[in-house]
Amino acid sequence: QLQLQESGPGLVKPSETLSLTCSVSGGSISSSTYYWGWIRQPPGKGLEWIGDVNYSGPTHDNRSLRSRVTISVDTSKNQISLKLSSVTAADTAVYYCARGAVVTKVFENWGQGTLVTVSS
Amino acid sequence: IQLTQSPSSLSASVGDRVTITCRASQGISSYLAWYQQKPGKAPNLLIYTASTLQSGVPSRFSGSGSGTDFTLTISSLQPEDFATYYCQQLISYPLTFGGGTKVEIK
Repeated sequence: QLQLQESGPGLVKPSETLSLTCSVSGGSISSSTYYWGWIRQPPGKGLEWIGDVNYSGPTHDNRSLRSRVTISVDTSKNQISLKLSSVTAADTAVYYCARGAVVTKVFENWGQGTLVTVSS
Repeated sequence: IQLTQSPSSLSASVGDRVTITCRASQGISSYLAWYQQKPGKAPNLLIYTASTLQSGVPSRFSGSGSGTDFTLTISSLQPEDFATYYCQQLISYPLTFGGGTKVEIK
């Protein structure tokens, strides 16, 4: 059974870089059938797509984040990573990783999410 | 592409028929999905390509629409359906979500 688990610091200081890892078990991130995305949700608010990556193809990211985003894959560890630089309090959110189907792009499987708070 | 959901919240009783609307700022063909999210949990895919039910999702959920106007219908609301529902467009990047519709118990 596929499982996705986000991990990383729960507290990040303003202007620093947020770094999260999504560990995938029960499936390979090297599959050409799927791609991997990051979505976030500020407390009490809606969902915001951050970006995605396929193990062999280009990444896409949300231009509203002004090129602060880096998403990459580590096939040796079966992990996907997210880096968000120059964070502010507005980046406080629950961060989810998810697996999407390449054909439909829908996110079929999600991690449980991890709360990251930006505060000094 | 902006997605506008309405209403933003609604109150309904068990057994009620519930309809949620999602309007896109430009035509997106049938590239629309619906997710359900319960408090403290990750979203769960319900419907994709506007009307295709995800495997394992109860048949009381249905979706319709194309172009700019879409609906999610719950034919007979069950206690486990009280949650927030989001639409998402999948035709172009960034893959935007609607603002959500919270379905509460009347």
